[in-house]
Amino acid sequence: GQQVMQIPQYQHVQEGEDFTTYCNSSTTLSNIQWYKQRPGGHPVFLIQLVKSGEVKKQKRLTFQFGEAKKNSSLHITATQTTDVGTYFCAGPAGNQFYFGTGTSLTVIP
Amino acid sequence: SQTIHQWPATLVQPVGSPLSLECTVEGTSNPNLYWYRQAAGRGLQLLFYSVGIGQISSEVPQNLSASRPQDRQFILSSKKLLLSDSGFYLCAWAQGQARNSPLHFGNGTRLTVT
Repeated sequence: GQQVMQIPQYQHVQEGEDFTTYCNSSTTLSNIQWYKQRPGGHPVFLIQLVKSGEVKKQKRLTFQFGEAKKNSSLHITATQTTDVGTYFCAGPAGNQFYFGTGTSLTVIP
Repeated sequence: SQTIHQWPATLVQPVGSPLSLECTVEGTSNPNLYWYRQAAGRGLQLLFYSVGIGQISSEVPQNLSASRPQDRQFILSSKKLLLSDSGFYLCAWAQGQARNSPLHFGNGTRLTVT
């Protein structure tokens, strides 16, 4: 079955530093979605990438979809304490969503 | 606008007791519905999903079951809880195929089996 891995599993950064999480799928994806889960909360949809090589930005967040549509990355510039949480990628397949293992981000003030 | 309701928010149950978690969606029709479980500090494990009334697909064989008695109602049940059933249970909905629609999660139920 489809597997989606994310690295790193955990990341601690000083406030103001950059952060990147990487997502890799064992199969080609039709698209990739990113979610953020705040501590104690539920995952919230951030963005969807569809095209090969696509890059999208949301303020300090930059999302990329690989040329082969098997990997993706999320980069946060100048992290803030509000960025704390776990970031998940998800690869849809039919009616199912295969979630990555998640990267837990801690921002040290 | 669409909303998803999930209850209860927290639950403490003894081993061997039954379980019933309910989830309802408002503001949309014929949604795809999902139950996920998240162990502490871990990822999201898909338990069940449903594309219509009475249609349930199980991803992980275990002592849990799901039912969809109405279009916008999804229920997760167990006849006898195990300690390993503890976790954060999340209900979610999507409109149509996964590639065309993101998941919208409820607030979740924190289940502790003692």
